[in-house]
Amino acid sequence: AQSVTQLGSHVSVSEGALVLLRCNYSSSVPPYLFWYVQYPNQGLQLLLKYTTGATLVKGINGFEAEFKKSETSFHLTKPSAHMSDAAEYFCAVTPGAAGNKLTFGGGTRVLVKP
Amino acid sequence: GAVVSQHPSRVICKSGTSVKIECRSLDFQATTMFWYRQFPKKSLMLMATSNEGSKATYEQGVEKDKFLINHASLTLSTLTVTSAHPEDSSFYICSARARAYGYTFGSGTRLTVV
Repeated sequence: AQSVTQLGSHVSVSEGALVLLRCNYSSSVPPYLFWYVQYPNQGLQLLLKYTTGATLVKGINGFEAEFKKSETSFHLTKPSAHMSDAAEYFCAVTPGAAGNKLTFGGGTRVLVKP
Repeated sequence: GAVVSQHPSRVICKSGTSVKIECRSLDFQATTMFWYRQFPKKSLMLMATSNEGSKATYEQGVEKDKFLINHASLTLSTLTVTSAHPEDSSFYICSARARAYGYTFGSGTRLTVV
């Protein structure tokens, strides 16, 4: 079974500051990991994903995440926040290539202050 | 890229009536489609998984007779909320999975039952 924990349901950052969203997972097999962004009343948009290979993954909109197996973490970062980054962010896991269902974390709402 | 079209985006219906929500993969064939429900300020709750031509697999606690899922083709899945009640009001999101594209989400449907 898989599970995902996102530390902090709300994060507030100043425009131009570092964005750091934390995600820890539990999986009995090597996981595939995802970060999604959701704007109000919209579906989810994929930011980035880790499957195999390089553990530092770059995504859209300047986001990146690093898979750390020893820490069972997949934290999302962006060096400089923009007002348009204000949204809800979800980390998700599936059990590797054989996986089917995504298991989501509880989500982190990002507020960007001018 | 992979696009999933979900409609309607918003629907208001009277208590006791049924509502159908469509989810189409526009430029790929989806091996599996998923239906989620999202409560305000909450994460996504998986309701059911459907594969083309077979019965949907419902998550524990989801009433299969209330939430009817039909996956008639590799590009279309529908969710019908039968005999809707105000407590069924929610945001419903579909997702389509194809090996080449991973998971692609629809834009969601806001259902309000009055």
